[in-house]
Amino acid sequence: KAGVTQTPRYLIKTRGQQVTLSCSPISGHRSVSWYQQTPGQGLQFLFEYFSETQRNKGNFPGRFSGRQFSNSRSEMNVSTLELGDSALYLCASTSGGARDEKLFFGSGTQLSVL
Amino acid sequence: AQKVTQAQTEISVVEKEDVTLDCVYETRDTTYYLFWYKQPPSGELVFLIRRNSFDEQNEISGRYSWNFQKSTSSFNFTITASQVVDSAVYFCALYRDSNYQLIWGAGTKLIIKP
Repeated sequence: KAGVTQTPRYLIKTRGQQVTLSCSPISGHRSVSWYQQTPGQGLQFLFEYFSETQRNKGNFPGRFSGRQFSNSRSEMNVSTLELGDSALYLCASTSGGARDEKLFFGSGTQLSVL
Repeated sequence: AQKVTQAQTEISVVEKEDVTLDCVYETRDTTYYLFWYKQPPSGELVFLIRRNSFDEQNEISGRYSWNFQKSTSSFNFTITASQVVDSAVYFCALYRDSNYQLIWGAGTKLIIKP
């Protein structure tokens, strides 16, 4: 069974640009959540999708958005990039929610904003 | 407020020593879930254990053991006879039953020296 796949693995952008990150969950998983990891703030929840619906959102500005497709694949978009958006972005999948079982994480996308 | 505290920023021990990683959490919920994840240098978060709030039974898995005590709101993790491959950052996390997100501790960097 393939794991959670995140693409691209590394990304370099400049301030003001926008970026789209992709996450393919484990087959059969319908919940996808996104987390931002930085040395200063640690791991922070961005949002969670289940069956194409956003169920919860963290405390991030509107520049951060996401969506989920009918095949459960998810994308995260960041518009008007700022230097502080440089981080490792991790995606996790599970069948319905963390309370049901463990979350499976991808290797992440390392975003550098110059 | 929901909060997870990992007071130990970094621990360094010599191989074969036992080491305990502390985790203290805060929540007003009666139903919640606690997790431990390992993050090796590759970046991917690896699931170690999930424990729900109604199950205070301690668990042992090989060299790993977990001590869950609701009375002190702690969920500590012990590695017995540590090995160099145990070197990683370890995260404790709290999941509320209602909002589909994990609240993470700051992580403890564990260094096992040969």
